[in-house]
Parts: sequence; C-alpha cells; structure tokens
Amino acid sequence: KQEVTQIPAALSVPEGENLVLNCSFTDSAIYNLQWFRQDPGKGLTSLLLIQSSQREQTSGRLNASLDKSSGRSTLYIAASQPGDSATYLCAAPFHNAGNMLTFGGGTRLMVKP
Amino acid sequence: DAGVIQSPRHEVTEMGQEVTLRCKPISGHDYLFWYRQTMMRGLELLIYFNNNVPIDDSGMPEDRFSAKMPNASFSTLKIQPSEPRDSAVYFCASSPPPGAGSGANVLTFGAGSRLTVL
Repeated sequence: KQEVTQIPAALSVPEGENLVLNCSFTDSAIYNLQWFRQDPGKGLTSLLLIQSSQREQTSGRLNASLDKSSGRSTLYIAASQPGDSATYLCAAPFHNAGNMLTFGGGTRLMVKP
Repeated sequence: DAGVIQSPRHEVTEMGQEVTLRCKPISGHDYLFWYRQTMMRGLELLIYFNNNVPIDDSGMPEDRFSAKMPNASFSTLKIQPSEPRDSAVYFCASSPPPGAGSGANVLTFGAGSRLTVL
C-alpha cells in the first residue's frame, strides 16, 4: 500500500523567500508523482507531474524534483508571493496502478506580504 | 472545455435522508474518480471507473454508499441513508487514458460538493 507523507503540515514565510515543500512515499516503484495546489473552498489544480524517468519538472517559479530511490519529492517555489498562499498536496499512484492516486496530507503555505 | 462539473456545490440535509452527488467529466476522459476530503482523513479515493465500468470500489466506506456511471458523460455518488459522519467535501476527477509507458496522466478535479449532514 502506498503511503504519502508531507512535512511540515503548515509553513509561513515572508514574501520573496525561496522555499521547499517535502513529500515522501513508501512505494518507490511509482510511474510518476504529481503536485497539486488547493485554494480554500476550491478543488485541486495540478501543478506538475514528474514521470518516473524524469528527475525534475519546472513550470515558471515552480520546480519539482523526484528521487525514487529515497522515496522523496520536493517542490521548490522561488521568490514566493502572497498569491502562492494555498495548500500544496503531492500524490503518488496507489499500488503502482496508474491513475489511482494516494495523497499526502498537504502543506498549508502562507506567504506574508 | 468547461472542466469537470459537479453538482450541487453545497448540500445540507438531515440524517437519514438520501443524498445524490453528480459529476460530468471532461469529454474524452475515460477515467473517473470520486474522492472524499475531510480535515481528519485528508483526501481518500472512494471509487474509480474506467470506460464507465467500476474498477475499484475498495475505498467506499460502507454499503450506504453507491456510485454509478451510466454513460461516459455522467456519474453519481449516492449516500442512503446519510449520517453526520458523512459530512465532507466530495470531489470528482477525470483523466485521459494513460500514455504509452507513462502509466498515468494529469487528473482534473471538479470544484467539489460540500455535504453537511445534520
């Protein structure tokens, strides 16, 4: 069974800081890992998907890395802005079964102006 | 495409009543998922369909919960009878078939249906 853990559960930083969110998973035989963003009262928006053959993916100020051997992924946010405040969740396939995702508990990020 | 559409957005009902949540996936997506999100348990996969067929319903909490997908553009999640502990946000998500060698594609989530059972 895939278990996904995110630490810390909450993070508060001043605007402009670079920050790293952590995700760990127990089953390293994964096809991919995804990072999502969730705003309060909203659904989830996919940010980045890293295939198992890749080590990282970049989108704007976001960079996600994947280290299967250690069961870890990180989401790097450069030059954080108040608009980045949200909950960030990582998800890995369940039982190595394609689209069935197991989610971490999320990291609630607050970027203070 | 309008994305994954869920209804109702909010539902308040009394214990014992039947609740039906609806989902319209993105056209062309042949995978559909129902998730439940609570503060205590986070996001939990309840059931998923592939080409309208239920593939894994091991996450459905008990027999009071049922899900159907009568066609490629519509799915329902029903709770009968509802209980206060069913209060949660229920999300529907869809994705296209996995690409060759990738195993999965990006999931698109609906905005969710917030259920409160009194």
